[in-house]
Amino acid sequence: DVKVTQSSRYLVKRTGEKVFLECVQDMDHENMFWYRQDPGLGLRLIYFSYDVKMKEKGDIPEGYSVSREKKERFSLILESASTNQTSMYLCASSLWGTGGDTVVGYTFGSGTRLTVV
Amino acid sequence: AQKVTQAQTEISVVEKEDVTLDCVYETRDTTYYLFWYKQPPSGELVFLIRRNSFDEQNEISGRYSWNFQKSTSSFNFTITASQVVDSAVYFCALPGSGNTGKLIFGQGTTLQVKP
Repeated sequence: DVKVTQSSRYLVKRTGEKVFLECVQDMDHENMFWYRQDPGLGLRLIYFSYDVKMKEKGDIPEGYSVSREKKERFSLILESASTNQTSMYLCASSLWGTGGDTVVGYTFGSGTRLTVV
Repeated sequence: AQKVTQAQTEISVVEKEDVTLDCVYETRDTTYYLFWYKQPPSGELVFLIRRNSFDEQNEISGRYSWNFQKSTSSFNFTITASQVVDSAVYFCALPGSGNTGKLIFGQGTTLQVKP
């Protein structure tokens, strides 16, 4: 069964800590994405990556960075966690393509609910 | 700019009622796709449907049906004879401009189906 796996389901961190959220996919997808989900705001894109060592800013990249050293793994990094980063984080992957085809096989992980105290 | 609006924040119905979830979108693209996803309490987004803007025929899958109206930029989702297992957050989405691969999501509609 193909999967996107996020390493933690729930996470509690302190303000100022450096936080790593890990995402691994086993579908050999080129594209990987990190979204943040907040009530009333839907999902908003933080960063995405087309290929190993490549990254692109999404709509809300401030306070975050990413790393993609291997095709299957895409890490989201909170350099210095703050309380306004308390949220649900969702990782996704998809095949390379154009337009709507890029979302063929778009698969999400189960999410990491991060609380920053 | 690409935008998706789901004006209904929360809907509560009793089992066996029909319910329609609204989705209105804005896009500058002449051809595009639209999507619906379901997010049950487990958290994982589950793909429900992808619709190409070329095809305005309504689609039915079991108790689910979708009404795509290009003239009003709407892609509404109806659940017939709702069940408790339909309780979830539902998201409408369309791809961002260009070949970025990202999806633009609506705010989501929380559906609660009571027994």
